[in-house]
Amino acid sequence: DGGITQSPKYLFRKEGQNVTLSCEQNLNHDAMYWYRQDPGQGLRLIYYSQIVNDFQKGDIAEGYSVSREKKESFPLTVTSAQKNPTAFYLCASSTRGLEELFFGEGSRLTVL
Amino acid sequence: SQQGEEDPQALSIQEGENATMNCSYKTSINNLQWYRQNSGRGLVHLILIRSNEREKHSGRLRVTLDTSKKSSSLLITASRAADTASYFCASFTSPGGGTSYGKLTFGQGTILTVHP
Repeated sequence: DGGITQSPKYLFRKEGQNVTLSCEQNLNHDAMYWYRQDPGQGLRLIYYSQIVNDFQKGDIAEGYSVSREKKESFPLTVTSAQKNPTAFYLCASSTRGLEELFFGEGSRLTVL
Repeated sequence: SQQGEEDPQALSIQEGENATMNCSYKTSINNLQWYRQNSGRGLVHLILIRSNEREKHSGRLRVTLDTSKKSSSLLITASRAADTASYFCASFTSPGGGTSYGKLTFGQGTILTVHP
């Protein structure tokens, strides 16, 4: 079945370490997104990519990095520069029209 | 600041009752979308209403849009325990017009609890 797969579902990290969250889609969507969700809050956009080899910063890109080498894949690296990385991270994809986002099941990152 | 503000933050009802959630936004939009999120899961798209539409139905869902008041509401009729979830509105704005990439901004959500 088509969909978006995020891994790992849970991740623990020590302060000062970089971690990479995986996001893969087989929906043949052009656009992919990373959002961050904190408890009781809405989603905030970290990065997005409309086409391969191109991506743009969202509202809270500081301390994060991404790559888009393949249409199917959009990994997110949470770097040690991110001051408060503990959160729930959601990957999504859409056609260019952005009329419906398809979400993965999320990755919960906890910094110890 | 958040484009969308949702009201109420939490809603608790009995099965069979209707649930109404409201959303306000600040700038002109191309469309407004509603999503559902079960606890600890990803979001699922429920319904989209375009800026030139006033009301839309999908099953037990009814969405209204008032562009003059910059507000939308989501009504779930005859609620069920399985409707328990968080509901988010998301407003889509496209500075360049059309539906090429613009920005989808999420509200903070309404937590709906439906008691059996």
